[in-house]
Amino acid sequence: AAGVIQSPRHLIKEKRETATLKCYPIPRHDTVYWYQQGPGQDPQFLISFYEKMQSDKGSIPDRFSAQQFSDYHSELNMSSLELGDSALYFCASTQGGGRYEQYFGPGTRLTVT
Amino acid sequence: TQLLEQSPQFLSIQEGENLTVYCNSSSVFSSLQWYRQEPGEGPVLLVTVVTGGEVKKLKRLTFQFGDARKDSSLHITAAQPGDTGLYLCAGLLYNFNKFYFGSGTKLNVKP
Repeated sequence: AAGVIQSPRHLIKEKRETATLKCYPIPRHDTVYWYQQGPGQDPQFLISFYEKMQSDKGSIPDRFSAQQFSDYHSELNMSSLELGDSALYFCASTQGGGRYEQYFGPGTRLTVT
Repeated sequence: TQLLEQSPQFLSIQEGENLTVYCNSSSVFSSLQWYRQEPGEGPVLLVTVVTGGEVKKLKRLTFQFGDARKDSSLHITAAQPGDTGLYLCAGLLYNFNKFYFGSGTKLNVKP
């Protein structure tokens, strides 16, 4: 069965640079969530989209933005990167705006040097 | 404070032992999920429980949803090193259509 796809899997950036992470949800899933997971921590919710509209917002810094496109894939744009942004970034998808369980992608490991 | 509290936070046991992880809340959930995450990987969905009092079994793992749908437990029988990982519960808050994650339980099963 098709799973959530995230790209790239690994990304190394320098401070103050920008990064774009991509998420391709499971086919027919219309809802996407973004999470940030620091070392030894549980995933922290950043933002979610349902039917291409932002549906909820968590602890996403103002330097970050995201959107969901017409094909339901989503991109997380991160600017003015800081050392503290180094983390695993997960995307999860589901259907129906979040009434069902989420399925996670493999994650993107971002390292800011 | 976390809406879903998991306990214990850390658990280190020997292969073959049994263990139970708890996920508790004062709120009611429409459904509750359990995930296992290995280092550097995404959380993998293990089970979804929906009905109060529901019990689901997945090989050596037994999941239970509380009667009032406020809590859940995960019991592992005869733990194996392959069970090592971070176990996360997550629930869909009743009437809010929003998921909340528990604080996580880090399990280490020593051979």
